[in-house]
Amino acid sequence: DTAVSQTPKYLVTQMGNDKSIKCEQNLGHDTMYWYKQDSKKFLKIMFSYNNKELIINETVPNRFSPKSPDKAHLNLHINSLELGDSAVYFCASSQEIPGTRPREQYFGPGTRLTVT
Amino acid sequence: EDKVVQSPLSLVVHEGDTVTLNCSYEVTNFRSLLWYKQEKKAPTFLFMLTSSGIEKKSGRLSSILDKKELFSILNITATQTGDSAVYLCAARGDTGGFKTIFGAGTRLFVKA
Repeated sequence: DTAVSQTPKYLVTQMGNDKSIKCEQNLGHDTMYWYKQDSKKFLKIMFSYNNKELIINETVPNRFSPKSPDKAHLNLHINSLELGDSAVYFCASSQEIPGTRPREQYFGPGTRLTVT
Repeated sequence: EDKVVQSPLSLVVHEGDTVTLNCSYEVTNFRSLLWYKQEKKAPTFLFMLTSSGIEKKSGRLSSILDKKELFSILNITATQTGDSAVYLCAARGDTGGFKTIFGAGTRLFVKA
């Protein structure tokens, strides 16, 4: 029944490692997002994909690479992890049609990444 | 630069109190303002506002938008301990695809 799911929920890893976070939505939405929420609870957009195409790519280090194999999935791969990457990463989805009114986003449960 | 500013950053009230949370925004080609509630995990959607002066209500929660003053408020009446959460305000513009700018949130704690 879960609308937006992410795996894993927790990820503890060492600096320099490469890791991936997976996201899937079963809402039939066309647009998916990755957000980073830091320790101060500030939620900041990283990427947005619409129908598997990259729409938004914020000022994110190129160690972060999103991949959307189909419109129900948006995975996030992170190379050479750094201490500052520690945060909660949220995936979200919405039913957006370019040029029409914005829609609310549905968030996944988050992945807490800790880099030691 | 686009930004969303929320106030207060934190608030402690007693059950039964009424609270007002504030959100001001500066977003290029503004399209909508959204409120989310975040408890322990994922933010959950509360309201989306696109027009000035039209109040949206859901139970004890209500929200209104002022597009002239670039401002929105979220009211919670007869607060309950279950209202304790971080309330996030977000604004959507019409540039940069589907970019949503979030505020830092207001952390509300309702004491029994």
